[in-house]
Amino acid sequence: GAVVSQHPSWVICKSGTSVKIECRSLDFQATTMFWYRQFPKQSLMLMATSNEGSKATYEQGVEKDKFLINHASLTLSTLTVTSAHPEDSSFYICSAKGGAFGQGTRLTVV
Amino acid sequence: DAKTTQPTSMDCAEGRAANLPCNHSTISGNEYVYWYRQIHSQGPQYIIHGLKNNETNEMASLIITEDRKSSTLILPHATLRDTAVYYCIVRTNTNAGKSTFGDGTTLTVKP
Repeated sequence: GAVVSQHPSWVICKSGTSVKIECRSLDFQATTMFWYRQFPKQSLMLMATSNEGSKATYEQGVEKDKFLINHASLTLSTLTVTSAHPEDSSFYICSAKGGAFGQGTRLTVV
Repeated sequence: DAKTTQPTSMDCAEGRAANLPCNHSTISGNEYVYWYRQIHSQGPQYIIHGLKNNETNEMASLIITEDRKSSTLILPHATLRDTAVYYCIVRTNTNAGKSTFGDGTTLTVKP
C-alpha cells in the first residue's frame, strides 16, 4: 500500500529560527499532498494543500509566508516553519492523495 | 466534506468487541466513509472504508446503514494496543488525503 514518510519525527528549535519538515511518498507519485497541524488534545486541522509544480493552497487563517510549502518533485513536499515561535509548537502531519498519512513531526520551539 | 458526529469516549474490555458509532446524516451520494485511528504522537492509521456495502478486513468491520446516515466500526477482539482516538471521516475519493477531522472517539481498552 501507499507509504508516506516524514522527517524528522521530532525537532526542537530556538525561537526565531526556521525549521524544514519533509514529506515523501515512498512507493508512489504524489502530485498532491496535504499538511495538517495538531495541537495537544485537539484534532487534526488542515493547513494547506501542496501541489507539485505550482503554488500551495492555504486554508483560511494559515499564513503562507510563515509556513512555506515547496513541492518540487512528485515524491517530496516540504513545509518550512519560518521564524518559529513557541506558539508554533505542534504536531505536523502530512498526507498524500490516496489517504496515506506520515508519522508526524513534533515541533517544539523554545 | 460532510460533518460527522462521534461519542467523545468509550471503554471496552480486552478481548471483547468494540463497536464505535458515527453519525453522518448529511453524507452525499459520492462520499465514502473512512475510519482512521491515531495512537498518541503518531500519524493517523487507515483502518477501513466503504461506500454503502458492509466491509471487512484484517483489522475491522464497517457496517453502514441502508440510508448511509450512520455507520459502526467493529473491532472484533479488542486488545490493549487498540487504545487510540478513532476518527470517522466522510469524503469523496477525488481528493482522498484531504480530510476534515472531527474530534473522534477515544477508545480505551481495559484489561
